[in-house]
Amino acid sequence: DSGVTQTPKHLITATGQRVTLRCSPRSGDLSVYWYQQSLDQGLQFLIQYYNGEERAKGNILERFSAQQFPDLHSELNLSSLELGDSALYFCASSVGHSGRGQFFGPGTRLTVL
Amino acid sequence: EDQVTQSPEALRLQEGESSSLNCSYTVSGLRGLFWYRQDPGKGPEFLFTLYSAGEEKEKERLKATLTKKESFLHITAPKPEDSATYLCAVQIPLNSGGYQKVTFGIGTKLQVIP
Repeated sequence: DSGVTQTPKHLITATGQRVTLRCSPRSGDLSVYWYQQSLDQGLQFLIQYYNGEERAKGNILERFSAQQFPDLHSELNLSSLELGDSALYFCASSVGHSGRGQFFGPGTRLTVL
Repeated sequence: EDQVTQSPEALRLQEGESSSLNCSYTVSGLRGLFWYRQDPGKGPEFLFTLYSAGEEKEKERLKATLTKKESFLHITAPKPEDSATYLCAVQIPLNSGGYQKVTFGIGTKLQVIP
């Protein structure tokens, strides 16, 4: 158990819909990272927050947004969902902002029908 | 363009048969290289961080090494429970503002047969 929690575990929705994925980092970790993993693409970095502020952005679509709240939990919002958005979404956390030694949550499996 | 390439894509070993996984990278300004283990349907599990060429880290049957262009994950006398996908990731500067990002390779799927 990494100490990072993600909810929900599974999510099934329809194209065009909007969903919110939630992540609670390990106690004491200030950084939260979001990744997307699909079968043919590997782990794709989406976005990083450090202590409530956006720190780095990767290949995140404009339809996706995220935020980190004062209690350090984070939410990833996915809107206007397409079939291709079906994937595993992982959240990771680390103490600092440099990206070193990230601890990953169990992931949320999103299926868009 | 920054690239992380892992080889082989898949590896099948007999129990006890030692081997190595490769991670080669072409990036500017490497800040760190990480190895993770990922079991099917689960989040990656952090194994090692390497910062400079010549550095080595060990954990049980695993040993990670780093050169200026690649890293190796050596698996000595593997057991069936070592079966997993092993991911390599590199940390590089994102811009001049001090931001950094981590880029993952596709991984090597290791199967150890009893």
